[in-house]
Amino acid sequence: DGGITQSPKYLFRKEGQNVTLSCEQNLNHDAMYWYRQDPGQGLRLIYYSQIVNDFQKGDIAEGYSVSREKKESFPLTVTSAQKNPTAFYLCASSPGTSGTGSYNEQFFGPGTRLTVL
Amino acid sequence: KNEVEQSPQNLTAQEGEFITINCSYSVGISALHWLQQHPGGGIVSLFMLSSGKKKHGRLIATINIQEKHSSLHITASHPRDSAVYICAVRIQGAQKLVFGQGTRLTINP
Repeated sequence: DGGITQSPKYLFRKEGQNVTLSCEQNLNHDAMYWYRQDPGQGLRLIYYSQIVNDFQKGDIAEGYSVSREKKESFPLTVTSAQKNPTAFYLCASSPGTSGTGSYNEQFFGPGTRLTVL
Repeated sequence: KNEVEQSPQNLTAQEGEFITINCSYSVGISALHWLQQHPGGGIVSLFMLSSGKKKHGRLIATINIQEKHSSLHITASHPRDSAVYICAVRIQGAQKLVFGQGTRLTINP
């Protein structure tokens, strides 16, 4: 089955530790995205990548880092510099980011709920 | 003011009722998405539209570009429709999506 995998579903870490959230897709999509969701707020973009070995900051990139060494993988590291890391993190992918129609449609993973103790 | 506003924020209805969720936006867009998020957190894309109307089963999405407004309708609602419905827009010339805060829908049997 084609889709997006995020693991684990729940993650607990101590304050001050870096933690890496995984995101894998087998949809052959060029573009991948990381979002953060907090209660009562809309999803906010952390980072996105349009192609392998390239990525761009989103609206709330401070305290996060990403890499895109392979087309199918876009891991997100939550560093100790992120002041309020407890949140629900969603990964998404799309065939591309330009043009119109289904080329831009984003498909979402199941999410990882990170709790920092 | 958010660029994307949804109403209502919460909606409770009885099984079988006709449901309408509204989305207004203040920017020029190239497309609008309706998404569904179930209690487990995963998000499913329901519709992507740039004009007119789309229908899938009991779900109907409409958009009025001139009025910068979209609606999501659910006919013959069922408890399994209970979820958070999210409106998101792709701003013209931009790669990213801007999301509304979501509408929490509860359908009681």
